[in-house]
Amino acid sequence: DIQMTQSPSSLSAFVGDRVTITCRASQSISGYLHWYQQKPGKAPKLLIYAASSLHSGVPSKFSGSGSGTDFTLTISSLQPEDFATYYCQQTYNTPLTFGGGTNVEIK
Amino acid sequence: QVPLQESGPGLVKPSETLSLTCAVSGGSIGSSYWWSWVRQSPGKGLEWIGEIYHSGSTNYNPSLKSRVTMSLDKSKNQFFLKLTSVTAADTAVYYCARSSTSCYTCFQQWGQGTLVTVSS
Repeated sequence: DIQMTQSPSSLSAFVGDRVTITCRASQSISGYLHWYQQKPGKAPKLLIYAASSLHSGVPSKFSGSGSGTDFTLTISSLQPEDFATYYCQQTYNTPLTFGGGTNVEIK
Repeated sequence: QVPLQESGPGLVKPSETLSLTCAVSGGSIGSSYWWSWVRQSPGKGLEWIGEIYHSGSTNYNPSLKSRVTMSLDKSKNQFFLKLTSVTAADTAVYYCARSSTSCYTCFQQWGQGTLVTVSS
């Protein structure tokens, strides 16, 4: 199985901060890396697919980069509605696997 | 209209079979998508259970493979999950999701999730 390691597991930030979350794969996954946002009691929502492509309707403050084994999700200016848990996912190989999540909290 | 909607018993007894349905609206289950099940134990992360293609081809997570069966019914535009011999460790919110090769098989749409508790 491909292991996905996210860091940090949690972070506290102010409204307006620039936030970066990283995701590392245990082997190369090319660009088969996606980012999701999940709020409490809700299903995950796709933000970024194929490492750097913005999903339809997602604000441009979200961006993704990386390839191979190392990837990042950046939120350029954190807003109150962005406080949530973020997950990365690889779809390069089955079993499809997710990172452990990054909980973004208000400071 | 919710594009994907899970349904099924909210309570299952240990050793019994968990059966869930995902109803697909706003599109045909016969289209070229992969249809997945994902679960999330309380307070935990996301675990992919498996996927089924419109042709009926399946891929399962090896950690659950011996207990999982997925199927679909094109006439009803639904797909299904069966998980046998459940234990308390199978208590989770179960999501169905749709993925497409157009986005490197990202999960474009998710159901709202259904909580299944395993308890006697």
